[in-house]
Amino acid sequence: AQSVTQLDSQVPVFEEAPVELRCNYSSSVSVYLFWYVQYPNQGLQLLLKYLSGSTLVKGINGFEAEFNKSQTSFHLRKPSVHISDTAEYFCARGSSNTGKLIFGQGTTLQVKP
Amino acid sequence: GAGVSQSPRYKVAKRGQDVALRCDPISGHVSLFWYQQALGQGPEFLTYFQNEAQLDKSGLPSDRFFAERPEGSVSTLKIQRTQQEDSAVYLCASSWKSMVNTEAFFGQGTRLTVV
Repeated sequence: AQSVTQLDSQVPVFEEAPVELRCNYSSSVSVYLFWYVQYPNQGLQLLLKYLSGSTLVKGINGFEAEFNKSQTSFHLRKPSVHISDTAEYFCARGSSNTGKLIFGQGTTLQVKP
Repeated sequence: GAGVSQSPRYKVAKRGQDVALRCDPISGHVSLFWYQQALGQGPEFLTYFQNEAQLDKSGLPSDRFFAERPEGSVSTLKIQRTQQEDSAVYLCASSWKSMVNTEAFFGQGTRLTVV
């Protein structure tokens, strides 16, 4: 079965430091990957997605992710975080014919001043 | 409306009570999804509609869960005889096309607490 694993449940980091949130997926022929952010008491907002093409994907709010087929990873990075980036981040993979999403368990990013 | 709207935002139900959760998708969106998000977990797929047709209900945890979208717009998720394990946030999402490259927009969710 298709799955997504987020290796860290919590990532504390100081403001203006770089951050990487890790995501691994189970291998299959076609892979469609997403990162979503969830602020407290809010719905999920799409940060970025990989469908095909360039393996380096740039998203909103200065985030980017790299699709690595050999390591079956799709890690999310930001070179300098802000307090406002404190939120829950979810990695997900999609079904090609319906758009149904399978989510990882989430990583809480805690940005400290 | 401007986004996906879910109501109520919060619902407290006594064990055994039936509940109905409503989702108003973005106007014109063909696809509608329901997800269940338990505390500290990622969302888990429940069911999917394309217009009024329920094409996938593989994620519904039991026959107490029922979803409908009779006119291809508003959807209702009904849970009969609620149990404590049903406590979760129920998220609705919609997209204008049934393809993975089409962004799904999420509502704020309904937090259900069964006491």
